[in-house]
Amino acid sequence: GQNIDQPTEMTATEGAIVQINCTYQTSGFNGLFWYQQHAGEAPTFLSYNVLDGLEEKGRFSSFLSRSKGYSYLLLKELQMKDSASYLCAVIDSNYQLIWGAGTKLIIKP
Amino acid sequence: SQTIHQWPATLVQPVGSPLSLECTVEGTSNPNLYWYRQAAGRGLQLLFYSVGIGQISSEVPQNLSASRPQDRQFILSSKKLLLSDSGFYLCAWSGRENQPQHFGDGTRLSIL
Repeated sequence: GQNIDQPTEMTATEGAIVQINCTYQTSGFNGLFWYQQHAGEAPTFLSYNVLDGLEEKGRFSSFLSRSKGYSYLLLKELQMKDSASYLCAVIDSNYQLIWGAGTKLIIKP
Repeated sequence: SQTIHQWPATLVQPVGSPLSLECTVEGTSNPNLYWYRQAAGRGLQLLFYSVGIGQISSEVPQNLSASRPQDRQFILSSKKLLLSDSGFYLCAWSGRENQPQHFGDGTRLSIL
């Protein structure tokens, strides 16, 4: 079967750095997305990785290792507004999008 | 730029009543369209997706149905709602399967 694993919940301090990991086992791979979802709202697109390496976008970076079936989202200079769930999603060989259950990130002052 | 509209934002319905949720996309042609459901504190469950007018693929057998009467219109329906249909319903669009999906604001459906 197809599976995406993310930690259920993480806690970090305002101003710090946090890394949210995602491991996947899917039938093929055609890319990986990270989304942010604030409580009660729709997910919003953060990043896309299809090649190995790091993609940086301001305070957020996303890393991919296809050989290890692994990605992480790195958030720097954490702000209170970064409190949200972060969803990892993988495109499989049939171009179906497989979603992880999400990681709830709690930021403390 | 592309925008997606989904309504209503909240809906309270009695068990056994019908349902119709509508989603429209502007600023793009022939989008892929998706309906998801999210239970409280859970991940996204894909219900239906469509790659063109009249083309609907169902991912989960249930008492819901979807239709795409126009290129940029996607409708989620039910003839008789169940208590288990409660949840947060999200419509999304993408250009192609390997492009990010963009979501509407969602409909919070409560069944009484």
